[in-house]
Order: sequence, then structure tokens, then C-alpha cells
Amino acid sequence: QVQLVQSGAEVKKPGASVKVSCKASGYTFTSYGISWVRQAPGQGLEWMGWISAYNGNTNYAQKLQGRVTMTTDTSTSTAYMELRSLRSDDTAVYYCARGNKWQGDYWGQGTLVTVSS
Amino acid sequence: NFMLTQPHSVSESPGKTVTISCTRSSGSIASNYVQWYQQRPGSSPTTVIYEDNQRPSGVPDRFSGSIDSSSNSASLTISGLKTEDEADYYCQSYDSSNLWVFGGGTKLTVL
Repeated sequence: QVQLVQSGAEVKKPGASVKVSCKASGYTFTSYGISWVRQAPGQGLEWMGWISAYNGNTNYAQKLQGRVTMTTDTSTSTAYMELRSLRSDDTAVYYCARGNKWQGDYWGQGTLVTVSS
Repeated sequence: NFMLTQPHSVSESPGKTVTISCTRSSGSIASNYVQWYQQRPGSSPTTVIYEDNQRPSGVPDRFSGSIDSSSNSASLTISGLKTEDEADYYCQSYDSSNLWVFGGGTKLTVL
């Protein structure tokens, strides 16, 4: 069965960086892409971007351009999302989701990132 | 870019039918597929409808999706409501650059 298992919760100080991982299993990793979506406490879903696991092509949300980098490691079927220059309003649960450029089907369990001094 | 507008909340009784709307602010709703995600409290989102009206395997046929060009909106209809359907529901589409747009979410209460 398809599974996306994300790394554990993180606490970071403002200005720091965080790298969240998403390990895929149960399907051919390079046949799909991975989207990243975040959810601030009590708020809705916000799309961050997408990466093709086939060729590494990326598409980032405009508001995060320059602060976010998405990568994949096909040898371990793992996707990564790095967010730099963290601010308090980056505090959120970060989700990975398998899918193509325009939709996600299977989602990870989420990773809480807390940004606090 | 466009926005997707959903009602903040809806409520209905068990066994009844509820419809959640998702209105696109500009551009045709038919231009790009609409997806619907269910998020139960404390859980990750799951896909209940993709590509306007397709149901993933395992999603009961009580869930259906449609689009209406006259109102420029998509709808998620849940029939035979069960208490387990109580959740937040999000519509999602994308623009010509494949940048995703989410609706603000609708809290469904089954009482």
C-alpha cells in the first residue's frame, strides 16, 4: 500500500532553516511527483510547491520563492523540503502528498514545525 | 490569480444530503480540474474527489463531485450523511502555471 512517512517535529529559532523529509513506499517513486502543503494552527491548507521525482523539475508558490527548496533522493525514495529564514508565521504542520502537477492523492502524516525564540 | 470561495460551515442531520460549494472568482471553473479533500480533526487530508467527479478507490459512492459553468462553481455532495463524515472539506484547483489554489475550507457538522 502507498505510504508517505514524514520526519518528526522540529523546533527552530527565527532565521534558522528546517528540512523535512518524506519517505515513500508502496509504489514506483519516480512515476509520481510530491507536493508540499502546510497548515498553520487553526488555518486552512496552503500549497508550497511540487517536485517531479522523475526529473527533479520544481514549481514553487510565488510567496515562498527564494526561501524554499524541494529535492528528491531516488535511491531512498525520499523527498525533502527545506525552508530557510524561518519566521514565526512559518509555524505550521507541513504535509507531503504524492501526485501529479495539479493534484495530490496520498498524503503523509504531517510534520509540526514550530518557530519560536 | 483566482480564488476559490467556500462556505465557512454547513450542518445537516444524519441520513440527509449536504452540498458544499466552491466558487471560482475568475476564469472558468471548467478550465482546470477540481479536487476535494477531507480532513478529520487531528488527521491528514485525504482525497475524496479528484478531476471534478472521480472517486478514489475506497471512497464510498455517497460522495460525488460536479461542476456548474453557469455559477462557475464546483460542488461536493454527500448523501446518507454519517457522523464519521464530520470534517473539514477543502476544494483545490490550479492555474495555467500549475500553481495550486485551495478554498478556505468548509466545516461540516453532522448533528
